[in-house]
Amino acid sequence: AQTVTQSQPEMSVQEAETVTLSCTYDTSESDYYLFWYKQPPSRQMILVIRQEAYKQQNATENRFSVNFQKAAKSFSLKISDSQLGDAAMYFCAYRSFYNTDKLIFGTGTRLQVFP
Amino acid sequence: DSGVTQTPKHLITATGQRVTLRCSPRSGDLSVYWYQQSLDQGLQFLIQYYNGEERAKGNILERFSAQQFPDLHSELNLSSLELGDSALYFCASSVEGLAGAPDTQYFGPGTRLTVL
Repeated sequence: AQTVTQSQPEMSVQEAETVTLSCTYDTSESDYYLFWYKQPPSRQMILVIRQEAYKQQNATENRFSVNFQKAAKSFSLKISDSQLGDAAMYFCAYRSFYNTDKLIFGTGTRLQVFP
Repeated sequence: DSGVTQTPKHLITATGQRVTLRCSPRSGDLSVYWYQQSLDQGLQFLIQYYNGEERAKGNILERFSAQQFPDLHSELNLSSLELGDSALYFCASSVEGLAGAPDTQYFGPGTRLTVL
């Protein structure tokens, strides 16, 4: 069974600085998708970024980028030029290419942004 | 706004009662997923429906059931409620939800259930 691990329960960053959130996963599959979701205090789950395992190029969405290391089974999220609105819980999630029934989530990292 | 709607936003009820949570997927999405987010269990997949048919089950209790209607909206029914069922229940939708499809699941705002 696949598992997702987020080893940083909490992180903090100064406004305008850069922060990296870590995620590792375990799978025997070669094809899969990885996601980062943001959950602000409103509790809404918001998609931040997505990566296909077959793509070597790291995904980027504006200030958000990932460092996808397939061999190491690592999928970290880098937030550049951090803003107060980035403060939230961030969840890393895995979805099998073959079994598309569910997302498997990590336990989340709470990001605080200080002015 | 993800385009996925859920009602009600909040629900407070007593143990032993039954409630129904409703979800409308994004326009054009055929798959609906239900997740439970609790403090001790984190985010857990409950069940998936695709175009009206149950496609996959996760850690869903026998007291819970769901269905997807012809207009593709879905309902999650929770019965004989216990204190431990208090949680945030999310609905998500995706275009297909089939093997190989490069789907992304988009989440609704959730229903917060409190069982007293």
